Amino acid sequence: DGGITQSPKYLFRKEGQNVTLSCEQNLNHDAMYWYRQDPGQGLRLIYYSQIVNDFQKGDIAEGYSVSREKKESFPLTVTSAQKNPTAFYLCASTEAGGRETQYFGPGTRLLVL
Amino acid sequence: QKEVEQNSGPLSVPEGAIASLNCTYSDRGSQSFFWYRQYSGKSPELIMFIYSNGDKEDGRFTAQLNKASQYVSLLIRDSQPSDSATYLCAVSTGRRALTFGSGTRLQVQP
Repeated sequence: DGGITQSPKYLFRKEGQNVTLSCEQNLNHDAMYWYRQDPGQGLRLIYYSQIVNDFQKGDIAEGYSVSREKKESFPLTVTSAQKNPTAFYLCASTEAGGRETQYFGPGTRLLVL
Repeated sequence: QKEVEQNSGPLSVPEGAIASLNCTYSDRGSQSFFWYRQYSGKSPELIMFIYSNGDKEDGRFTAQLNKASQYVSLLIRDSQPSDSATYLCAVSTGRRALTFGSGTRLQVQP
């Protein structure tokens, strides 16, 4: 079955620690996205990538980093510089950036210990 | 002014009624409009998309777009308790990613 997988489902971060959230898709989509969702809020764009080896900052990129070495994979690292990382993180993909429909993975909930 | 605005709700309707969800957007260059449904603790799932002015129907759902008024709406006919969720409006200018509203929480009362 084609789809987007995210792991882990829950992630706990200690202060000062970097953690990496995984996002994999087998839809052969070109573009991939990371969003953050806080309780009662909409989705805010962290980073996006429209092609392998290229990515762009979104609206709230500070404290996060990404890589896009393979078409299928777009991992997100939450660095120690992100002082308020507790949120629901959603990965999405689409055939090409912009007009096309975005499909979402199941999400990773990040909690701070 | 937020780029995409939605009333946070909750919008409460009785079972079997029509639920009307509204969304306004600020960028006149917006080209594509999406409605996602999100259950508590889950990721958003696509309900409908619309590109052209007018109505688009899919089962119990109708999306309405008025680009002159920068307004998009979602009607849910014969509302069911299972429709209780948060509905997210999303807008694309075709340049990068979707811009989301903060969502409207819908409660369908049995």
